[in-house]
Amino acid sequence: EDQVTQSPEALRLQEGESSSLNCSYTVSGLRGLFWYRQDPGKGPEFLFTLYSAGEEKEKERLKATLTKKESFLHITAPKPEDSATYLCAVQADSGGYQKVTFGIGTKLQVIP
Amino acid sequence: DAGVTQSPTHLIKTRGQQVTLRCSPKSGHDTVSWYQQALGQGPQFIFQYYEEEERQRGNFPDRFSGHQYPNYSSELNVNALLLGDSALYLCASSLASIRTEAFFGQGTRLTVV
Repeated sequence: EDQVTQSPEALRLQEGESSSLNCSYTVSGLRGLFWYRQDPGKGPEFLFTLYSAGEEKEKERLKATLTKKESFLHITAPKPEDSATYLCAVQADSGGYQKVTFGIGTKLQVIP
Repeated sequence: DAGVTQSPTHLIKTRGQQVTLRCSPKSGHDTVSWYQQALGQGPQFIFQYYEEEERQRGNFPDRFSGHQYPNYSSELNVNALLLGDSALYLCASSLASIRTEAFFGQGTRLTVV
């Protein structure tokens, strides 16, 4: 069974204090790994897709990387507006279709 | 370009009742997936619709059913509501290709009392 584990579950940073969120996965036939941002009571907002080990993508203060077993979301000099829950999801082969499995998320709080 | 839209945004139902949630996919998308997200948890896959057929289903009972229309919009129906069905229900749309990300709507907050 596909598994996605995110750590830590919660992270509190001072404004400007860089850190990384981890997403480790166990899947058969990985097709893609996605990062989403979710604000309270709202739907997830798409951030990145990574397809193969060694791939990196950046957007403003966020950078996502992928290895064969895990992905990292690096946050450089975060601001209070970066506070949100960050979700990792993997897309894998499932009986000819592509199944998406989400992790529980990392709740990030950035303090001014 | 309108993104994924869901209606209603909030809903309160009584245990045992039935509910219908609606979703319009992002323009150009042909696949709709539904997720249930309990408080403090990640989204759990319910099912996916493509070409008006359910083509994949998660570990949810038959009380959860759906439909997709020719214009790609979709409905999620839940019968015999239980207190445990209270959650944020998310609709995601995508293209039916191997490498594609899904875009989510804002969700419908269902409360069962």
